[in-house]
Order: sequence, then structure tokens, then C-alpha cells
Amino acid sequence: DGGITQSPKYLFRKEGQNVTLSCEQNLNHDAMYWYRQDPGQGLRLIYYSQIVNDFQKGDIAEGYSVSREKKESFPLTVTSAQKNPTAFYLCASHGQGENYGYTFGSGTRLTVV
Amino acid sequence: AQSVTQLDSQVPVFEEAPVELRCNYSSSVSVYLFWYVQYPNQGLQLLLKYLSGSTLVKGINGFEAEFNKSQTSFHLRKPSVHISDTAEYFCAVIGAGGTSYGKLTFGQGTILTVHP
Repeated sequence: DGGITQSPKYLFRKEGQNVTLSCEQNLNHDAMYWYRQDPGQGLRLIYYSQIVNDFQKGDIAEGYSVSREKKESFPLTVTSAQKNPTAFYLCASHGQGENYGYTFGSGTRLTVV
Repeated sequence: AQSVTQLDSQVPVFEEAPVELRCNYSSSVSVYLFWYVQYPNQGLQLLLKYLSGSTLVKGINGFEAEFNKSQTSFHLRKPSVHISDTAEYFCAVIGAGGTSYGKLTFGQGTILTVHP
């Protein structure tokens, strides 16, 4: 079945460390997105990529970095510059045509200890 | 740019009662509208979407929503809820053009709690 796989499901990080969250899709979608979710704040866009080797900052990109070397993969790195990284992170891809809309992964819960 | 307002942060309801979750949006361009459901520690699952055509949209799990362009609303309804409908619900829009093309903007979410 086509879908989006995020790993790991839970991640613990010490302050000052960088950590990379994985997102892989087999839907053949061009566009991919990273959202951050905090209680009571909905979902906020971190970065997005509409095509391989290109990506754009979203609303809250500071302290994060991404790459898009392959169509299937869009990893997110949470750097030590992110002041409050503890959150639930969701990856999504955007389909066209009759499947127009976003498909989401199951998320990664990052906790900084 | 688009914005979405979900008018209720929490909605408690008894099992088998009807429910309406309210959503209003603002946009300078045409929009596509979505409702998603999220269970604890899971991703978002699409309930239904409005792209064009009939303004009454039927989705999964017995939910439906009606697009009202004049009131810029897209309220979600279910005539009889079950305990299993307890979850957080998100309304979202995508701008059909302009600089926000393809980007999904979410409301703050509504937590639906169904009591026995």
C-alpha cells in the first residue's frame, strides 16, 4: 500500500544535540511538507519542497533544516539552535488529480531531555 | 494568504447525539477545504474534502460537511456520534492560486469528546 513512513515514532534528545527525523513516501508525490504540532496551536508549517533539490521555508523554519535529494525522501534535522524542540512532528505529501490533498505520516514525537 | 478559525476548542456530547463542529475560513483566492481527524499520538486521517461541485460533501465514518461560500464556512456534522468518534478534528484549506498555492493551512483544532 502507498503511504508515508515516519521514523522513529518516539525520539529523545539531549539539549545541544542535532537530530534527524526520517520521512519516506512511495506515493510518487512531488510535494512534501513538515509540520510541527503543539497542544492548542494546531499544525504549523516548518519547511516544504515542491520538487527534488528545492525547498522553501515555512512559517517556523528557524532552528530546522531539510534536504530533498530524492523524490521519496524529505528528512528534517532539528538543530541545537531550535529553542523549544519538544513537539510532535508530522510529514505529509501532496497528491494531484483525483487524489488531490495531503497524506500524512504517523508522526514522530521528539522530547528533549 | 488563508486563515482558518475553528470556533470551538472543545465539544462534549453524549453518545448517539448529533454534533456540529464549526469552521470558518478567510481567503483572497478560491480555496479547497478539508476536514481531518487525529487520534492520540497518530497522524491525520482525511475525513472529507471539498474541491468543487456539490456543496454537501459526504466523508468516512458517517461525517458530512457543507461548503457555504457566502458565509465562508465549512461546518462538519454527524447525525449520531459514537464513543469511537472521540478525537481531535482539524479544518484546513489550500489556496487554489497565488503565493499560497498548494500549502495547507490548519485551524486550531476541536477536541470532540463523546460521553456514554
